[in-house]
Amino acid sequence: SAVISQKPSRDICQRGTSLTIQCQVDSQVTMMFWYRQQPGQSLTLIATANQGSEATYESGFVIDKFPISRPNLTFSTLTVSNMSPEDSSIYLCSVRWRDGTEAFFGQGTRLTVV
Amino acid sequence: GENVEQHPSTLSVQEGDSAVIKCTYSDSASNYFPWYKQELGKGPQLIIDIRSNVGEKKDQRIAVTLNKTAKHFSLHITETQPEDSAVYFCAASKRGGATNKLIFGTGTLLAVQP
Repeated sequence: SAVISQKPSRDICQRGTSLTIQCQVDSQVTMMFWYRQQPGQSLTLIATANQGSEATYESGFVIDKFPISRPNLTFSTLTVSNMSPEDSSIYLCSVRWRDGTEAFFGQGTRLTVV
Repeated sequence: GENVEQHPSTLSVQEGDSAVIKCTYSDSASNYFPWYKQELGKGPQLIIDIRSNVGEKKDQRIAVTLNKTAKHFSLHITETQPEDSAVYFCAASKRGGATNKLIFGTGTLLAVQP
């Protein structure tokens, strides 16, 4: 298993500002992902965070809005840029090993944009 | 791409009864099917998973069955307890694939009445 720490756990932000969410894992994992979970909804994959290269974004998500960094195998950040109330969601970091088996999730960051 | 449907969206059972949640997937190449439990304010927690080379897997009060021909899999919880109350998500992915993406179902809110 893996222990995943996400910071912050929650935040209330003004529209037009940006928030950077951090994800720290206690072991070196191959795959790191960022998900969005809108209130009462399922998990939607935003992007795969690639170490040392640009993230791979899913349809409907773009780098300008959700820039992602992954400088090493244990750390990644997701920035939500130029926020609007529609960005109010839970953002979750997830990790998997190369063989694509178990995925572990952080506690999530509950973002409210006012 | 893969699409995962999950039913029912809500399920209420009496303590001690069994609960069954069903999912169908569209991509016949999917070969890994985990189930997650998400309690309020927490990230999803893996509770059981199954790979396409087996038809059933059990872990104490929970079990998962897989029908590859019909492309559906189910979660069975026996002797339900109030602490089983949570949102349950199924997911599907291709183990060993290029991105190992997990595609989630829409979730089932399980309420166990004492």
